[in-house]
Amino acid sequence: NAGVTQTPKFQVLKTGQSMTLQCAQDMNHEYMSWYRQDPGMGLRLIHYSVGAGITDQGEVPNGYNVSRSTTEDFPLRLLSAAPSQTSVYFCASSRGQRSYNEQFFGPGTRLTVL
Amino acid sequence: KQEVTQIPAALSVPEGENLVLNCSFTDSAIYNLQWFRQDPGKGLTSLLLIQSSQREQTSGRLNASLDKSSGRSTLYIAASQPGDSATYLCAVDRGGSNYKLTFGKGTLLTVNP
Repeated sequence: NAGVTQTPKFQVLKTGQSMTLQCAQDMNHEYMSWYRQDPGMGLRLIHYSVGAGITDQGEVPNGYNVSRSTTEDFPLRLLSAAPSQTSVYFCASSRGQRSYNEQFFGPGTRLTVL
Repeated sequence: KQEVTQIPAALSVPEGENLVLNCSFTDSAIYNLQWFRQDPGKGLTSLLLIQSSQREQTSGRLNASLDKSSGRSTLYIAASQPGDSATYLCAVDRGGSNYKLTFGKGTLLTVNP
C-alpha cells in the first residue's frame, strides 16, 4: 500500500491564483482530513470528510473548499490564494470506527503564496 | 474549547538516557489520545494511540500513559538513541458528533551521541 499520498510536494503561487492540492489514500479509509501546520501554531484542522459525498468544516476553513466524490480522493482547493495561506498542508486518513482511529498522514505540501 | 499543551517545547539529552515528554489537555471528555512523531520536512507518524478507557500503551521502548481525570498524558522513551531525534506531538479526539483532533505544538527532542 502507498498509504496517503499528496501532490505536489512544493508549490509557489502568486496572490489571487487558485490551485488544488491533491490527496489520495489506498487503505479504504472512510475518514479524511486536511490540516495546516504553521510555526508556533501547531496543526489546525481545515476540512474533513466522514465518507464519500460528506464534508464539513474544521477550525480554519475560510479560503478553502473541499469535495469527496470517491472514497480514495480528497482534494483541497484554494480559490484565491493569499499570503496568509503560506503553510505546510497535511492530508490524513483513518478508519471509520472511532475508538480505533489511528490517523495516517501524508508527507505534506509546502505552499508559499507571494 | 479543548486546548493541548506540551512541555517542554524542546529537550536535549545524551544518548542512553530515559526521558519523559508531557502533554496536558483542558477538557477531560476525550475519546482517545494519540502520540505522533514528525521528522524534519516530513509528515506525522503515529506512535501510540490510547483509548479513553485505557491507562497506558506500550510499543518497544515507548510507553504512553493517560490520566483523563487530571488531563495529562506522558510519553516515556527508554534508552534514547540519536534516531529518536524528532518532534513529538500529542493530539486528542475532542469527542462530539464528529471526529476531530486537537494537536499540541510539540516537543523537539534531540538525542546527542
